[in-house]
Amino acid sequence: KQEVTQIPAALSVPEGENLVLNCSFTDSAIYNLQWFRQDPGKGLTSLLLIQSSQREQTSGRLNASLDKSSGRSTLYIAASQPGDSATYLCAVRYNKPNQAGTALIFGKGTTLSVSS
Amino acid sequence: EAGVAQSPRYKIIEKRQSVAFWCNPISGHATLYWYQQILGQGPKLLIQFQNNGVVDDSQLPKDRFSAERLKGVDSTLKIQPAKLEDSAVYLCASSASSRVGNTIYFGEGSWLTVV
Repeated sequence: KQEVTQIPAALSVPEGENLVLNCSFTDSAIYNLQWFRQDPGKGLTSLLLIQSSQREQTSGRLNASLDKSSGRSTLYIAASQPGDSATYLCAVRYNKPNQAGTALIFGKGTTLSVSS
Repeated sequence: EAGVAQSPRYKIIEKRQSVAFWCNPISGHATLYWYQQILGQGPKLLIQFQNNGVVDDSQLPKDRFSAERLKGVDSTLKIQPAKLEDSAVYLCASSASSRVGNTIYFGEGSWLTVV
């Protein structure tokens, strides 16, 4: 059964720090992994999508890596800003067991607070 | 480009009452999802539509939850009767297709409190 774990559950850093959020999954047979951002009272915004054949994706100050064989992904945020404060969720897409099609399963998220 | 629209944004009801949520996906998106997100948890898929057909409803509590997507565009999610544990955010999402490489776009959610 595919499970997604995110550590830490919460993180507080001062402005300007570089930081890493971790995501692990139990079944390495995934199609892709996606990182989302969720602001309080809002829906999810897609940040980066990494296909299973890729090692990393970059967007601005964000860099996501994927090591499928070890079941791990990291989201690196450079030079953090107060506006980065939000909950970050990772999700993996994999084949549904005993069913046709794929499913997207989420971790519980890491809540980031960046202080000025 | 307009995003995924949901209404109402907030709803408070008493247990055993009914509630309905509406979703309008991004124009042209064939795949529509309803997720339930309980506070402190990641979203959990309730139902997935491909056009107006159901692809996956394996985690939908069918004794109280129902959903439809008439004409393959808008969708409604209904809960009847509601229980206290149904308090959650109900997120609608859409993607261009169900192909694995497609990005999923989420609405801002409908926040339900059952008292």
